[in-house]
Amino acid sequence: TQLLEQSPQFLSIQEGENLTVYCNSSSVFSSLQWYRQEPGEGPVLLVTVVTGGEVKKLKRLTFQFGDARKDSSLHITAAQPGDTGLYLCAGFFYNNDMRFGAGTRLTVKP
Amino acid sequence: DAGVIQSPRHEVTEMGQEVTLRCKPISGHDYLFWYRQTMMRGLELLIYFNNNVPIDDSGMPEDRFSAKMPNASFSTLKIQPSEPRDSAVYFCASRGLYTDTQYFGPGTRLTVL
Repeated sequence: TQLLEQSPQFLSIQEGENLTVYCNSSSVFSSLQWYRQEPGEGPVLLVTVVTGGEVKKLKRLTFQFGDARKDSSLHITAAQPGDTGLYLCAGFFYNNDMRFGAGTRLTVKP
Repeated sequence: DAGVIQSPRHEVTEMGQEVTLRCKPISGHDYLFWYRQTMMRGLELLIYFNNNVPIDDSGMPEDRFSAKMPNASFSTLKIQPSEPRDSAVYFCASRGLYTDTQYFGPGTRLTVL
């Protein structure tokens, strides 16, 4: 059974600070997705990474896929209160299994 | 498009009662997924359909849970009988054939007393 570990579980920062959240597995991902979920809503896809070493940017968010395709990170620059939410990674494995991480709950204080 | 529609948004029931959750996927999407989210276990895939056919139900916790998709625009997840440990938010999601983007509904918050 492939497991995804996300860290940290909780993160509370001030507006303007930078942060990084991580998603790791002992197995190789075929691809990986990052989602953001706001209270009372379903997750919304932010990005999909497929190639080892790949870096994608979405405004102030930078997503990186590890060279070995076993890990990924999400970096937010100059966080804003609107970034508050639950960030989930979803890993796809070569046996067609797909799992979500437990999530990082981010709070950005004004 | 209205997105994925789920009903009801909230359901409170007593242990032993039958619960039916409903989902209308985005028109034209070939895949439909049912998930359950709890603080303890996170977001778990229960079952998914392709062209109305159940493909993988290995995530369905036990025989009390069943899901159907009688047509391309409607799916149900039924719990009978319900138990307090079934309390969670249940999400439905859909996606098209040539895309990796799943679109989630707003969820149904189920509370079993």
